[in-house]
Amino acid sequence: TAGITQAPTSQILAAGRSMTLRCTQDMRHNAMYWYRQDLGLGLRLIHYSNTAGTTGKGEVPDGYSVSRANTDDFPLTLASAVPSQTSVYFCASSDGVTDYNEQFFGPGTRLTVL
Amino acid sequence: AQSVAQPEDQVNVAEGNPLTVKCTYSVSGNPYLFWYVQYPNRGLQFLLKYITGDNLVKGSYVFDSEFNYSQTSFHLKKPSALVSDSALYFCADSTLTFGKGTMLLVSP
Repeated sequence: TAGITQAPTSQILAAGRSMTLRCTQDMRHNAMYWYRQDLGLGLRLIHYSNTAGTTGKGEVPDGYSVSRANTDDFPLTLASAVPSQTSVYFCASSDGVTDYNEQFFGPGTRLTVL
Repeated sequence: AQSVAQPEDQVNVAEGNPLTVKCTYSVSGNPYLFWYVQYPNRGLQFLLKYITGDNLVKGSYVFDSEFNYSQTSFHLKKPSALVSDSALYFCADSTLTFGKGTMLLVSP
């Protein structure tokens, strides 16, 4: 199975432009997450969704929005990109919303905002 | 609030020697703790987790972790390191908080 796919693999974006990072999972997991990974800061949660139709804010939500129209897809949108959003973005999912479910991660999207 | 901390940015080990990657946690109640590994240009992969029960947590990748309640630690261990174990390791807790990561470098 594919697990979690993310697109694009990498992108260079001009500041002020908008962009949507795509994430799709085929495991029928209820919960999905978006993280950004920055050197020296580890992974930080941007937004999450416990089930289709619901979303919540993580540690660093400003400048990002998400939607969860169905179980499989969880796109992340940058409405007006800024250079500080240069990062590697990971989508993840977990089976259920209990505290002890491990997460499965996609391969990441490397975004550079100039 | 729960949190985890990885006190070492990098750990260097010779192949064949035992390795330990450290993680400490602060939490009220019973913690749920996880270890993940990240190879270059890849996403994170789940290694093992502690829920309740035995302090020694067996993993599926020959890694183990010893949960110590009194020391609030959840160190990742392996008795004999391989060069292929070189990667970035993260511990995490159930609040979706990740440590900053520890780079493990195993030399031949």
